[in-house]
Amino acid sequence: GQNIDQPTEMTATEGAIVQINCTYQTSGFNGLFWYQQHAGEAPTFLSYNVLDGLEEKGRFSSFLSRSKGYSYLLLKELQMKDSASYLCAVLDSNYQLIWGAGTKLIIKP
Amino acid sequence: DAMVIQNPRYQVTQFGKPVTLSCSQTLNHNVMYWYQQKSSQAPKLLFHYYDKDFNNEADTPDNFQSRRPNTSFCFLDIRSPGLGDAAMYLCATSRGTEGGHEQYFGPGTRLTVT
Repeated sequence: GQNIDQPTEMTATEGAIVQINCTYQTSGFNGLFWYQQHAGEAPTFLSYNVLDGLEEKGRFSSFLSRSKGYSYLLLKELQMKDSASYLCAVLDSNYQLIWGAGTKLIIKP
Repeated sequence: DAMVIQNPRYQVTQFGKPVTLSCSQTLNHNVMYWYQQKSSQAPKLLFHYYDKDFNNEADTPDNFQSRRPNTSFCFLDIRSPGLGDAAMYLCATSRGTEGGHEQYFGPGTRLTVT
């Protein structure tokens, strides 16, 4: 079967750095996405990795290791508005997105 | 601005009373998706269209139907809503071409069944 695992919930402090991990087992791989979802709102695109390595975009970075079936999202200089759920999703061999259940990130002052 | 629009944002329907949710896009994307998302769960794909080619997920109940009359519009029909169908319904689009599989979401319609 296809499976995406990520922690259910994490807590971090404003101004700090947090790393949200995602491991996956899917039938084929055509890229990995990270989305941010605030409570009651739709997911918004954060990043896309298809090759191994680190992609940096402002305060957010995303890393991929295809051999390990592993990715992480790194958030720096955390702000209160970063409190949200972060969803990892893998594009499988049929170009369908397989979604993780999301990691709820709580930022404390 | 190019975008994905969903109407209404909030919908209340009675148990067993048919309801239609709508989605439109100005992105001119080939692919449109309907997802169901319940609290603290992953979005669950119900259907998707590549142009007019309809793809139904194997575990999508028959109670759910969809129509895409043209490139811009897509509808989700719930023929006889049950209490278990209360959820956020998300419409998304993508180009569906090489390098264009990123999905853009509308704001969602939150469905309440009374």
